[in-house]
Amino acid sequence: AQSVAQPEDQVNVAEGNPLTVKCTYSVSGNPYLFWYVQYPNRGLQFLLKYITGDNLVKGSYGFEAEFNKSQTSFHLKKPAALVSDSALYFCAVRDMLTSGTYKYIFGTGTRLKVLA
Amino acid sequence: EAGVAQSPRYKIIEKRQSVAFWCNPISGHATLYWYQQILGQGPKLLIQFQNNGVVDDSQLPKDRFSAERLKGVDSTLKIQPAKLEDSAVYLCASSLVGQRPYEQYFGPGTRLTVT
Repeated sequence: AQSVAQPEDQVNVAEGNPLTVKCTYSVSGNPYLFWYVQYPNRGLQFLLKYITGDNLVKGSYGFEAEFNKSQTSFHLKKPAALVSDSALYFCAVRDMLTSGTYKYIFGTGTRLKVLA
Repeated sequence: EAGVAQSPRYKIIEKRQSVAFWCNPISGHATLYWYQQILGQGPKLLIQFQNNGVVDDSQLPKDRFSAERLKGVDSTLKIQPAKLEDSAVYLCASSLVGQRPYEQYFGPGTRLTVT
């Protein structure tokens, strides 16, 4: 079965500094990977996804993610963090079901705190 | 485009009572998901519908949880009877269906507190 791991419960970064939120995956076959963000008292919002092609994927709000097949990683990055980026971030992977359809498995989340 | 709608937003019940949550997905989205998100954890899929058929309910506690999507549009998730450990946020999401890995669109969630 597919899985994702987010090794850090929390990441602190100063405003204006680059940020990285880590995600590693375990899949059989081609990985389809996603990042979502969750602000307080709100549902998850899609940020970006990797299907195929360029290893650097650009998404919403200036975020990007780097797919690294050899390291089985899909880290989320942003060149300059904003205080408003403070939120909970989830990595997810698509898993194929025996029926031939798909479901999505989420990591445990990483809380990003950007300090002014 | 209207987003995924959920109601109620908050619910407090006593253990052994029953509760129901409602979700209306984005128009045209054939796939609908119900997730349980316990504080400090990632969303856990409870049940996934494609149109009005169930494609995965392997993590749904079927002795107390049930869900339906009768007309392939909106859906209801029910808990009967509730336990303390059911306290969580229940998220509904929807997506297009197909071979492409489409992103999911989430509703705001229903925060359930069982006392």
